[in-house]
Formats: sequence, C-alpha cells, structure tokens
Amino acid sequence: LAKTTQPISMDSYEGQEVNITCSHNNIATNDYITWYQQFPSQGPRFIIQGYKTKVTNEVASLFIPADRKSSTLSLPRVSLSDTAVYYCLVPYNPGGKLIFGQGTELSVKP
Amino acid sequence: GAGVSQTPSNKVTEKGKYVELRCDPISGHTALYWYRQSLGQGPEFLIYFQGTGAADDSGLPNDRFFAVRPEGSVSTLKIQRTERGDSAVYLCASSLGIGELFFGEGSRLTVL
Repeated sequence: LAKTTQPISMDSYEGQEVNITCSHNNIATNDYITWYQQFPSQGPRFIIQGYKTKVTNEVASLFIPADRKSSTLSLPRVSLSDTAVYYCLVPYNPGGKLIFGQGTELSVKP
Repeated sequence: GAGVSQTPSNKVTEKGKYVELRCDPISGHTALYWYRQSLGQGPEFLIYFQGTGAADDSGLPNDRFFAVRPEGSVSTLKIQRTERGDSAVYLCASSLGIGELFFGEGSRLTVL
C-alpha cells in the first residue's frame, strides 16, 4: 500500500526553479503518480500525472526514476502566485482511492 | 457551470444538529469522492463512489456520517448529531475513473 513522503515546507525566490521530491517506496506496478496544487480556501487542482521517466506540460515537469520509488515535481521560474501547498498522490490500492499526505507548503518570495 | 458544485459554501450549526452537504459533479463523471480538510492538514479521504454504489467508505469516521448518490450523479453527505470536531471544509471531487480529480470549492462546516 503506497504511502507518500514529502518535505513539509520549502522556500524559494521568484524566477528560480523549484524541485519537490516525493517518496513512494511501495508503489504498485499499475500506479500512476499525480501531483495537485492547493491555494488557501480552494479545492486542490490537478497539475501533472506520470507513470515513468519524464512528463512535461505547460506548468510543470515530472521526473520519475526507473525504480519509481520517488518522483520530483519541477516548477520552472516560479512566481509569487505559485505559493501554495503541493501534494503528491499515489492510488491506495485496492479501490483506487487517492490519499493525500500533509503536502509541501511552498513559499515564493520576491 | 462545467465544474464541481458544492452547496452550501458555508454552514454554521449547533452541536447535536443534523447537516446535509450537497455535491453536484461534472456531468458524465462516474467517480465521486468526499474528503474533509482541517486547517493546516491535507484532505482526509471519507468515501468514494463509483456510479451509485460506495466503492470504499472506509474513511467515514463513525456511523454519524453517511453519504448517498442515488442516481449516480448528485451526492449528499449527511452528518447526524454534529460535534464540534466535525468542523472542517468538506471537499467533493469527481473524475472519469482513477484519473484526474476535479474538486469543488468545498463546504465549510462550523459546529458551535
């Protein structure tokens, strides 16, 4: 049963690249890794999902090593508006329900 | 609206009262999830529906909590004999399957 572990908080400055790593040692063969972003007083919002190697979309990249026991969310050139909590999720099998951990609170400073 | 809609957005009630929270998912989404979130914590899983049936209700904290989805669309989370510890934001999400979840804005419940 996959459980995720990620840093509780991170600080960064505008314009920097931010990498948030998540550990999921017990990930199952069929599990995808998904990242969500949450702003205060809002529901979480999907950022990116991947299975292996690298996935990139318009807002982020997701790097997954061959053993898939960790993943790294990469946010290029962050801005103040990227200040949020970021969650890494792996389906909790059986059933496919998604369990949120504590998340990583990212603070971007000017 | 194309998103997940939750009502009410805010609910204040007294200890011991009964509360219903409604979730209107994105049309066509077969999976529906309920979570609750306390300040400073990640969303806590409550229950997951696939169609009309509860595929997993292992997160419901006790028998005061119950959720239904009678027609496979709208869902209602029901809380009996509310307690102060039930105060939280209740989040609903829907999806086409085990994929991207689309969350609503949540219903903030305050039990006095």
